[in-house]
Formats: sequence, C-alpha cells, structure tokens
Amino acid sequence: AQTVTQSQPEMSVQEAETVTLSCTYDTSENNYYLFWYKQPPSRQMILVIRQEAYKQQNATENRFSVNFQKAAKSFSLKISDSQLGDTAMYFCAFMKPPGGGTASKLTFGTGTRLQVTL
Amino acid sequence: ETGVTQTPRHLVMGMTNKKSLKCEQHLGHNAMYWYKQSAKKPLELMFVYNFKEQTENNSVPSRFSPECPNSSHLFLHLHTLQPEDSALYLCASSQDGGKRKYTDTQYFGPGTRLTVL
Repeated sequence: AQTVTQSQPEMSVQEAETVTLSCTYDTSENNYYLFWYKQPPSRQMILVIRQEAYKQQNATENRFSVNFQKAAKSFSLKISDSQLGDTAMYFCAFMKPPGGGTASKLTFGTGTRLQVTL
Repeated sequence: ETGVTQTPRHLVMGMTNKKSLKCEQHLGHNAMYWYKQSAKKPLELMFVYNFKEQTENNSVPSRFSPECPNSSHLFLHLHTLQPEDSALYLCASSQDGGKRKYTDTQYFGPGTRLTVL
C-alpha cells in the first residue's frame, strides 16, 4: 500500500514571498502520478499541479512548481510570489495508474495549512 | 470549476432520517468517486464507479448506499447515520482509459457538509 506524508501541518508566508511545502511518499511502484491539490476556505478541492513519475522534468504551472526527487520519494511544491488567494489547505496525493478496467485511486496526505499574510 | 456539481451543499439530519446526496459531472468522464473528509484526517475513499459499475467499496458501513445510474450521476443514500458520520462528503470524476485521452486526473465537486444530530 502507498502512504503519503506531509510533515508540516501549518505554514505561513508573507505576500510576494516564496514558500515550499514538503511531501514524501512510500511506494514500490515504478510508474505513478503525483498531485498537489489546494482546498481554500470554500472547501472546493482544486488541482494545482500534476507530475508523471516517468518524466524527469519538474512540472510547472505559472507560480507553482514542484521538485520531484524520485529516488528520495520526495515531491515538494514551491509557490512563488505568494498571493492572499493562495491561502488554503494543500494536499499531496499519489496515484497508481489504473488498469484492468479499474478506475484510478488517490492516496492523500494529511495536508498543510498555508496562510499568506500581508 | 463547475465541471462537478454536488447538492445539497449543506445537510443537517437526525439519526433516523433518510437522505440522499447527489453528484453530477459535466466533463464526459467515465469514473466517479465518493470521499469522506473528517477533521484532522486524510481524505478517505469510500466508493469508486467505473462505467456505472462499482469497482471499489472501501469497507464502508451499509448505512451508506451508493447508486450510479449512468456515468454522469452518482448518489449517496444515507440512513440511520451516526454523529461520527458528520463530515464533508466530496464527489470526484475522472477519465480513465476508454477511447478518449487518458487523463487520470480527478476533478472534485464543492462537497456536501453533513451534520448528523
């Protein structure tokens, strides 16, 4: 079974600064996907970024980028130029690609609450 | 994101009531999911449906009964719940396999906040 660990329950960053959220995972799989989702106070779970394990290049989406270290099983999220709207709970998630007629299944970490301050 | 909708957004019910949660996805996906999110716990996968067929029941008590009449709609029927069932219930959908692009990414609805008295 896969496990996902987020060791930072809460973090704070000032507006316009950069912050990095940590995530480690444990798996025996070689092919898998990793995700970061954000959940703002509205409770809507929103996809932030996705990384395929077979890709060595780190994924980026505007101000969001990841540092994917496959050997270390580490998948951190960097938020640059933080904005007040980035205040949310951030969840790291692991997924083994589906097969044999089954759908994909996500394993989530416990989340990191990020507060962006003025 | 309006691709996945859930109703109602809030629900308060007694332990003897029967209610249903509804989820609808407008993304053309084939797989749908129910998750339970309780305070200070990771999201818990409850049920998975793929092309209307249930492929996963994660040891969920029988007082939760899912129904998937087609790939766009998913229901969660609730009866004789317990106060510890109070939580945010999230629905998600994804496009897995089939003839379309293989995306595998799950997209979530806004959730139903359930309170059991």
